[in-house]
Amino acid sequence: DIQMTQSPSTLSASVGDRVTITCRASQSISSWLAWYQQKPGKAPKLLIYKASSLESGVPSRFSGSGTGTEFTLTISSLQPDDFATYYCQQYNSFSWTFGQGTKVEIK
Amino acid sequence: QVQLVESGGGLVKPGGSLRLSCVASGFIFSDYYMSWIRQAPGKGLEWISYISTGGSTTYYADSVKGRFTISRDNAKKSLYLQMSSLRADDTAVYYCARGGGGFVWFDSWGQGNLVTVSS
Repeated sequence: DIQMTQSPSTLSASVGDRVTITCRASQSISSWLAWYQQKPGKAPKLLIYKASSLESGVPSRFSGSGTGTEFTLTISSLQPDDFATYYCQQYNSFSWTFGQGTKVEIK
Repeated sequence: QVQLVESGGGLVKPGGSLRLSCVASGFIFSDYYMSWIRQAPGKGLEWISYISTGGSTTYYADSVKGRFTISRDNAKKSLYLQMSSLRADDTAVYYCARGGGGFVWFDSWGQGNLVTVSS
């Protein structure tokens, strides 16, 4: 199975900061990567699919990049609504795995 | 709008069984691949099962293979997860999720349904 490793596990930032989260795959997954945002007690919400495509309705301050084994999620200017946990997710041969999550906290 | 509503969770004893349901609305259910994903308390997300649009093809995570069965009824716009031989480590919030890009990512999620396995 492909393992997904996110870093950092926790990130402290202020409103207006540029934030970058990294996700590494244990083997190449081409661009089959998605990013989700989850707030406490809520279901995850899709932000980015196919590594860099922005889901409809998601603010443009969110962006994704990468291919192969290394991927990043960037929030260009952190807003109060963005404090949450973020997960990456890969697909390969009818197996889906998530990273362990990155919690973005208020500094 | 797209809506997925789960039901059927609750408290069950180790070794017991439970059936989760997920009713879809706002989209053509039979056109979409579906999955179940779970999240243990305070932990990350774990995909556990997938079903094709017609229901003929299914896949399972090793952690639930042989114990859980996914199924769907397109006429009722419903997805199911039959869980048996439940263990304490199956305790989690269970989400149904709609496949996006065919089945590569998950573009809509239910609200989640808590299953607690405890004596």
